[in-house]
Amino acid sequence: ENVLTQSPGTLSLSPGDRATLSCRASQSVSNSFLAWYQQKPGQAPRLLIYATSNRATGIPDRFTGSGSGTDFTLTISRLEPEDFAVYFCLQCERAPLTFGQGTMLEIK
Amino acid sequence: QVHHVQSGTEVNKPGASVKVSCTASGYTFTNYAIQWVRQAPGQRLEWMGWISTASGTTKYSQQFQGRLTITRDTSASTAYMELSSLRSEDTAIYYCVRSTSSTLDYWGQGTQVTVSS
Repeated sequence: ENVLTQSPGTLSLSPGDRATLSCRASQSVSNSFLAWYQQKPGQAPRLLIYATSNRATGIPDRFTGSGSGTDFTLTISRLEPEDFAVYFCLQCERAPLTFGQGTMLEIK
Repeated sequence: QVHHVQSGTEVNKPGASVKVSCTASGYTFTNYAIQWVRQAPGQRLEWMGWISTASGTTKYSQQFQGRLTITRDTSASTAYMELSSLRSEDTAIYYCVRSTSSTLDYWGQGTQVTVSS
């Protein structure tokens, strides 16, 4: 199984700051099969980025995905108040599909 | 727009079974697979399995082999997830999610399943 490890576990920033979230895989992942999700309390995850760097419908351009191989990054250029949430990465290249444990982005 | 509406909260005893439904709207149901994912308290999201809504072919995580059955009713645009021999560790929120060729995009609202005697 391809284990995804996210860092940091918690990120404390202020609105207007830049956030950089990391997702590291134990085995290489094709760029086509790495996604990022946002989850707020009591809600289902929402797709932000698919195929490493493609923004999903309606996602603002302050969200950027990058990376390759085993190292992937989600960058939020200027944090808005609604961006404070938990973020997960997912690899869907091979079964079992696996998720990272999440990064909590909290207001400093 | 794309929507997945799941059935409501379930409370079940250990050893029982639970069946959760997921009704799709806003797209052609048989053009996309449906995956099931669960989220236990304090745990990471866990993939359970998927179904090809066109053919009915399924694939399950080894973790759930023998206990999990995923089915679909194309006439109702609905997928089902049935988990048997429930134990306390199965207490979680269960999600259905649409699957494209490269990602999982639209999620249902989630169904809380609680296993308690």
